[in-house]
Amino acid sequence: GENVEQHPSTLSVQEGDSAVIKCTYSDSASNYFPWYKQELGKGPQLIIDIRSNVGEKKDQRIAVTLNKTAKHFSLHITETQPEDSAVYFCAARKNNNNDMRFGAGTRLTVKP
Amino acid sequence: DSGVTQTPKHLITATGQRVTLRCSPRSGDLSVYWYQQSLDQGLQFLIQYYNGEERAKGNILERFSAQQFPDLHSELNLSSLELGDSALYFCASGPVAANTEAFFGQGTRLTVV
Repeated sequence: GENVEQHPSTLSVQEGDSAVIKCTYSDSASNYFPWYKQELGKGPQLIIDIRSNVGEKKDQRIAVTLNKTAKHFSLHITETQPEDSAVYFCAARKNNNNDMRFGAGTRLTVKP
Repeated sequence: DSGVTQTPKHLITATGQRVTLRCSPRSGDLSVYWYQQSLDQGLQFLIQYYNGEERAKGNILERFSAQQFPDLHSELNLSSLELGDSALYFCASGPVAANTEAFFGQGTRLTVV
């Protein structure tokens, strides 16, 4: 089955700096890669996703890049703000398999 | 608010007991997924139902079972509970079986004492 690895497990940045979280996956058939943000006491919330026919996607301060050859994808947050502090999860799934596998999560702390 | 409702929010029970967690998906969503999140751990996929039928199975213990009812709500049954079953249990829903987005509920925090 799919195996998703996520790094780093913790990340601390100064407000205004950029943050990058990286994930690798093992199954080359995976073609959908969402990112979730989980705030304390809440369920994960989808923040951005990318499909394998796209190399990069951007939504305001958040961007995701995908390298299918290397089987890795990354989340980029620019101009970080304290409210970006949360645990971020990457995930990967094949179109014909609904078993979406998550990375172990990255705890991001943005210091004011 | 994702539109996915989970009850109860908190549950404390003793070892050996059985509990039922309930999930109401977003209106119109046919797929329901269950995940387990232990303390400081990632999300472990347990099982998925689509329109009443089991669609995919993950790392779900034999002591655990789930079902999806005709009104599309789902229940996760946990039996012979052990201390290690203490975790957050999340339900997520999505529109179709081979779907992309999954929207998560707020979770049920289960504590086994």
